[in-house]
Amino acid sequence: KAGVTQTPRYLIKTRGQQVTLSCSPISGHRSVSWYQQTPGQGLQFLFEYFSETQRNKGNFPGRFSGRQFSNSRSEMNVSTLELGDSALYLCASSPGTAPRQYFGPGTRLTVT
Amino acid sequence: TQLLEQSPQFLSIQEGENLTVYCNSSSVFSSLQWYRQEPGEGPVLLVTVVTGGEVKKLKRLTFQFGDARKDSSLHITAAQPGDTGLYLCAGPFGNEKLTFGTGTRLTIIP
Repeated sequence: KAGVTQTPRYLIKTRGQQVTLSCSPISGHRSVSWYQQTPGQGLQFLFEYFSETQRNKGNFPGRFSGRQFSNSRSEMNVSTLELGDSALYLCASSPGTAPRQYFGPGTRLTVT
Repeated sequence: TQLLEQSPQFLSIQEGENLTVYCNSSSVFSSLQWYRQEPGEGPVLLVTVVTGGEVKKLKRLTFQFGDARKDSSLHITAAQPGDTGLYLCAGPFGNEKLTFGTGTRLTIIP
């Protein structure tokens, strides 16, 4: 099976812009979660989608949003980008509700 | 303050030495996982521990879950350069799919 894929791998945006990141989970996996990784805060949970519904949400502002499509692919959107949004954004999938995560390689977002 | 604190934060040792990494919390977890992350990649699951007091072995790696399910440790015997990476403990907590620890960056010197 192919692993979790994320596009793009690298992205440079300007403060105030918005960005959309994409994630394709492992075939058959219905849960997709998003995480932000920074040197200062480490790996932090953003949100989880399961069968197109947001199941859980971390402690991030409303500028961070996501959605999941019927084929389980997911997108994450960040509006009004701030310098502090520069991070590695990781997508992870799992077959169901178990906490084990299969991670993608991440999208490196740089906000200038 | 992070829910899961790992120590040490950085560790650099010679090939062949033994080491232990700790993951501590004041909260009880139903399970804890250990991941290793290498540069340019996402974390990869090494093990999941579920029962208090549980010990799991994966070749040269030994994982232990504390009796009270508030802490865990990872012991590596005869470390090799391929063990180099960022080690992360994580567990489900509250509304979060996974809460991650602060991480231990391990470097094995050949």
